[in-house]
Amino acid sequence: SQQGEEDPQALSIQEGENATMNCSYKTSINNLQWYRQNSGRGLVHLILIRSNEREKHSGRLRVTLDTSKKSSSLLITASRAADTASYFCATASLGLQGGSEKLVFGKGTKLTVNP
Amino acid sequence: SAVISQKPSRDICQRGTSLTIQCQVDSQVTMMFWYRQQPGQSLTLIATANQGSEATYESGFVIDKFPISRPNLTFSTLTVSNMSPEDSSIYLCSVRGPGELFFGEGSRLTVL
Repeated sequence: SQQGEEDPQALSIQEGENATMNCSYKTSINNLQWYRQNSGRGLVHLILIRSNEREKHSGRLRVTLDTSKKSSSLLITASRAADTASYFCATASLGLQGGSEKLVFGKGTKLTVNP
Repeated sequence: SAVISQKPSRDICQRGTSLTIQCQVDSQVTMMFWYRQQPGQSLTLIATANQGSEATYESGFVIDKFPISRPNLTFSTLTVSNMSPEDSSIYLCSVRGPGELFFGEGSRLTVL
């Protein structure tokens, strides 16, 4: 079943503004990851936050994780037109019977940054 | 990081035909993953391909419809068999890094 659910589904902002995307999930996780996809192409990994971490930064990206609320947020500061893409969260959980870790992707947020 | 090449990048296919997608990785990996992304949707894992053994399919996906080969540690193929318009999707190959997944550019299939 779908694990991560992002909101909003679509977000349109002006260059220079900040963009915040949220992700909620349902079950226990080992980590949560955010990916970016440009125009239906391959996904690119942005950042990983472990279940025992609360906040992580990478350049203009800031990710938070609240395991009590089973939610995460991705903040992109000082957005640029080149940030226009779809952003997906993905939750990693151990497979059944201790099998290999599986990633389950949310539905994504389509971000448009207008110049 | 891993560099993943997929072929074809896109194709238009007729209903009832089959198409094989190739995935080449620039390093040896134990597991390769095949995902499907239907139009406007998220990614769904089809199967995990291990070298030297049969692929492990997720619920809702069967070997007859999506046969997978994994002849060596750098290569895998996914065949979409007896295609229907509902199979129109982007198919993505991926491998695992230290924590994250690396993806190919995807193969966009349109079935008429």
